[in-house]
Amino acid sequence: DSGVTQTPKHLITATGQRVTLRCSPRSGDLSVYWYQQSLDQGLQFLIQYYNGEERAKGNILERFSAQQFPDLHSELNLSSLELGDSALYFCASSVVETSFYNEQFFGPGTRLTVL
Amino acid sequence: QKEVEQDPGPLSVPEGAIVSLNCTYSNSAFQYFMWYRQYSRKGPELLMYTYSSGNKEDGRFTAQVDKSSKYISLFIRDSQPSDSATYLCAMSALPIGSFGNEKLTFGTGTRLTIIP
Repeated sequence: DSGVTQTPKHLITATGQRVTLRCSPRSGDLSVYWYQQSLDQGLQFLIQYYNGEERAKGNILERFSAQQFPDLHSELNLSSLELGDSALYFCASSVVETSFYNEQFFGPGTRLTVL
Repeated sequence: QKEVEQDPGPLSVPEGAIVSLNCTYSNSAFQYFMWYRQYSRKGPELLMYTYSSGNKEDGRFTAQVDKSSKYISLFIRDSQPSDSATYLCAMSALPIGSFGNEKLTFGTGTRLTIIP
């Protein structure tokens, strides 16, 4: 158990709908990262937040947005869903110590199925 | 062309064999190299981490980085059925948590099965 929790575990919805995925980082971790994992693209970095502020952006669609709240939990919002958005969505967290590599700990993921 | 290329396998080997997993990359800025293991229906977990070129050993696992060839490898000795998982290589230009570009770039993963 990495200490990162994600809810829900599974989500089935229809095209055009909007969903919210939730992530609670490990105690003490200030950084949260979101990834999308699909069979053809592998694990793709979406976005990172540090202590409530957006820090880095990857290949995140405009239909997707995220935020990190004062209690450090994060939410990933996916709107106008398309069939191709079906994937595993992972959240990871890490501590922040400048100039050192800090391990990212991954949550168990949310499996999103868009029908 | 993807920044990181990894043979997706699947790869099946008998128990006790030496396994070699590889990734190539194109971005010469990458300096931090990682191998993650992902069991079915679980999140990835860090297995090995190396900085720049060289070897690193941890028990039955050895990670090698050759920056001149832009090639990284993971060797598993005396493979066990419990090693059956998908192995993902990952790399970044800056250390995670350095307040720079925090992006980790992953390979697509190699699915490994160790046959008892």
